[in-house]
Amino acid sequence: GAVVSQHPSWVICKSGTSVKIECRSLDFQATTMFWYRQFPKQSLMLMATSNEGSKATYEQGVEKDKFLINHASLTLSTLTVTSAHPEDSSFYICSARDTRVTSYNEQFFGPGTRLTVL
Amino acid sequence: DAKTTQPNSMESNEEEPVHLPCNHSTISGTDYIHWYRQLPSQGPEYVIHGLTSNVNNRMASLAIAEDRKSSTLILHRATLRDAAVYYCILRDAEGNKLVFGAGTILRVKS
Repeated sequence: GAVVSQHPSWVICKSGTSVKIECRSLDFQATTMFWYRQFPKQSLMLMATSNEGSKATYEQGVEKDKFLINHASLTLSTLTVTSAHPEDSSFYICSARDTRVTSYNEQFFGPGTRLTVL
Repeated sequence: DAKTTQPNSMESNEEEPVHLPCNHSTISGTDYIHWYRQLPSQGPEYVIHGLTSNVNNRMASLAIAEDRKSSTLILHRATLRDAAVYYCILRDAEGNKLVFGAGTILRVKS
């Protein structure tokens, strides 16, 4: 199957700083990327959907000014957590799909990024 | 997206088959049934998907009820590496989002 990578795999930062997480599709073009967040012992929660070259669509309750998403190319999307606070500590997972494929196609997930805000 | 219902947890013995059920009574005609699994501290991994007919791949089998209101993921011989949270998710062919429910925690005993 196709590969989605994330960088970094884990990050520790001080409260008030901003953190950028990269998500790359390695062997396919991801016209659409998704960002999820997962707290301990909970399921994945979809944060936003981004299409290449356009603004992201955020799910209800997700602050777009706090979680900045950029999807400037068909293989790269970034999530920036601005002014991070301890409550933003979580496991962030990206996912990607080539929505130009007219037949059914899978959605592939990255390995996740563990963010700890001190 | 239509909702799915799964048991919170299940337990299996190693080397035995496991049947993981999923109810989706509000499924629409264009919804595909997807199964993903997530090992601890990893991203979800695709397992299998289907629309109407039963499906087999190297990881598992998917049995879909005739009325499509339920489905069962079958792991033919559970191993310790199959211990994970298994998610049953519906999505139509054109729909973008995969919305995760609580999933089923599968524990495999040696």
